Formats: sequence, C-alpha cells, structure tokens
Amino acid sequence: AQSVTQLDSQVPVFEEAPVELRCNYSSSVSVYLFWYVQYPNQGLQLLLKYLSGSTLVKGINGFEAEFNKSQTSFHLRKPSVHISDTAEYFCAVSESHDMRFGAGTRLTVKP
Amino acid sequence: SAVISQKPSRDICQRGTSLTIQCQVDSQVTMMFWYRQQPGQSLTLIATANQGSEATYESGFVIDKFPISRPNLTFSTLTVSNLSPEDSSIYLCSGKDNPYEQYFGPGTRLTVT
Repeated sequence: AQSVTQLDSQVPVFEEAPVELRCNYSSSVSVYLFWYVQYPNQGLQLLLKYLSGSTLVKGINGFEAEFNKSQTSFHLRKPSVHISDTAEYFCAVSESHDMRFGAGTRLTVKP
Repeated sequence: SAVISQKPSRDICQRGTSLTIQCQVDSQVTMMFWYRQQPGQSLTLIATANQGSEATYESGFVIDKFPISRPNLTFSTLTVSNLSPEDSSIYLCSGKDNPYEQYFGPGTRLTVT
C-alpha cells in the first residue's frame, strides 16, 4: 500500500527566500504524485501533479517539484516566497482510485 | 476540471445529534470520496461513495456512524451520527473524473458541543 512522509512539520522562512518542502513516498507500483495547498479556513487547492514524462513539474504560483524515482521523493520548491504563500502544504500519492496524504507541512513566511 | 460545493460550510451541533453534509459536483464524476481532517491533522479517507450501492469504508470507519448516500453521479451526502466532541473536524468531499486527479470541495467545519 502507498504511504507518504512529509519530513518537516513546520518550515519558517523569510520573504523572498527560497524554500523546499520535502516529501517521500512508498509504493510497490507506479504512482501519481500531487502537492496541494490549504489556506486558512479553506479547502484544498491543487498546486501541481506528476503523472508521467518529465520529472520536473511546474505548478501554479511559481511552485515546482521534481520526481525522483530512485529516491522515491517528490520535493516541492519555490525560488522566492511571498507572505501570501503562508499555508499548509500536503503531498499526496495515488496508485489507483484513492489518494493518501502526508501529514502536512506548515509553511510560514515572515517579513 | 470539476467544481465541488458543500453545504453547510460550518455548523455547531450538540452532542448526540446528527449532521448531514451535502456535496454537489457541477459535472458527472466517476468516483466521489469523503475525508475527515481533524484539527491540525492531515486528511483521512472515510469512504468511497458508490453510486447506487453501499459506500466502501476505510478501516476504523463504519456505516452506522457515517452513513453515506450517492443517488447519482453528481451528488452525495455524508451523515455524522450520534455526535461527540471527538467528531469536531473538517469534512471534505472530493470527486474524480479521470484516473489521476481529485477535486476537493471547500469543506464543512463541524464543531460539537
């Protein structure tokens, strides 16, 4: 069965600094990988997804992620963060019909 | 992509009562799911809502506590029964119209007093 580990529960960073949110997964078969963002008191919004093809995936709001099969990782990056990026970020994996989420990483961007 | 709405957006309920949450999708989706997000936690899958048949529940969730209906391809309800303070959570509905991506509703914030 698939599972997801987000290695950092909280990531504080200053505005305009780069950030990386780490995600590792385990699965016995090919998977689809996702990053979602949840702003306070809101639902989940898809940032980006990896289905196949190029291992570097670009998403909305300047985020990108790289799929690394050998390391079973799918880390999320942004070269320069804004205050408005403060939110909870969830990595998710899907093998078939359902989706499993990591515990989440709280990104706090400080001025 | 599908747009999903949920009603109510939030509610405060008394212990021992029940709350029914509605999930409406603006287009037909093959699969619908219900998740629970406890305070400060990640999402946990409750069940897959199957059209015209009983939902498929994940370990730790039972039909008596979380009855689910899905009468057609665009609508589902989740009832949380016999409420206790431990049921205070955000409940999210999602839909899927392809093998890859799930679309999420905005969630229903339930507080049990």
